[in-house]
Amino acid sequence: GAGVSQSPSNKVTEKGKDVELRCDPISGHTALYWYRQSLGQGLEFLIYFQGNSAPDKSGLPSDRFSAERTGGSVSTLTIQRTQQEDSAVYLCASSTQSGDTQYFGPGTRLTVL
Amino acid sequence: AQSVTQLDSQVPVFEEAPVELRCNYSSSVSVYLFWYVQYPNQGLQLLLKYLSGSTLVKGINGFEAEFNKSQTSFHLRKPSVHISDTAEYFCAVSTVSSNTGKLIFGQGTTLQVKP
Repeated sequence: GAGVSQSPSNKVTEKGKDVELRCDPISGHTALYWYRQSLGQGLEFLIYFQGNSAPDKSGLPSDRFSAERTGGSVSTLTIQRTQQEDSAVYLCASSTQSGDTQYFGPGTRLTVL
Repeated sequence: AQSVTQLDSQVPVFEEAPVELRCNYSSSVSVYLFWYVQYPNQGLQLLLKYLSGSTLVKGINGFEAEFNKSQTSFHLRKPSVHISDTAEYFCAVSTVSSNTGKLIFGQGTTLQVKP
């Protein structure tokens, strides 16, 4: 079946602009995660959604970062007023429920000039 | 808090040789343990996981890992590597008691298989 998909695959933006990154989880997966992969920080957890529960935002690095999950399916990660340190690969993962195996998408490579 | 240390940033090895990628973790609570592989320009793929039971875990592509609670280690092994195993490998943990299952990753080990 279809895996986790993310769009765009690459995004180049100018410092100060807002960007939106999209994640389509595997159908039927109720848990959704965002991670960031950067050279300096490695792989970091950003945010977690589970069904209709309040998300776990404990990994978001600043208030410029936010995420939504509409209808329990598609998620959008928004970064406002992008900075050069936001340049990274943003990975989305989903699982049938929290604690189960997480399946990762191919990622969105964000470059802030 | 939990942390994961992958002791080698790069491991060069010749084709058909055995390999071990080392992973140590720190946690005051029980954890689940994972190894993921990342091929160039791709997302992470699960190789194997330890949740409970037998401490020797077998995964895909001929990889296996052994959970050693006393040494807080979860080293990944393969008896004979192929060129196609060249990739980056990540060890990760999540806490058993976690409501989220979020993963804490090590810094990664690049496996370079030479002909």
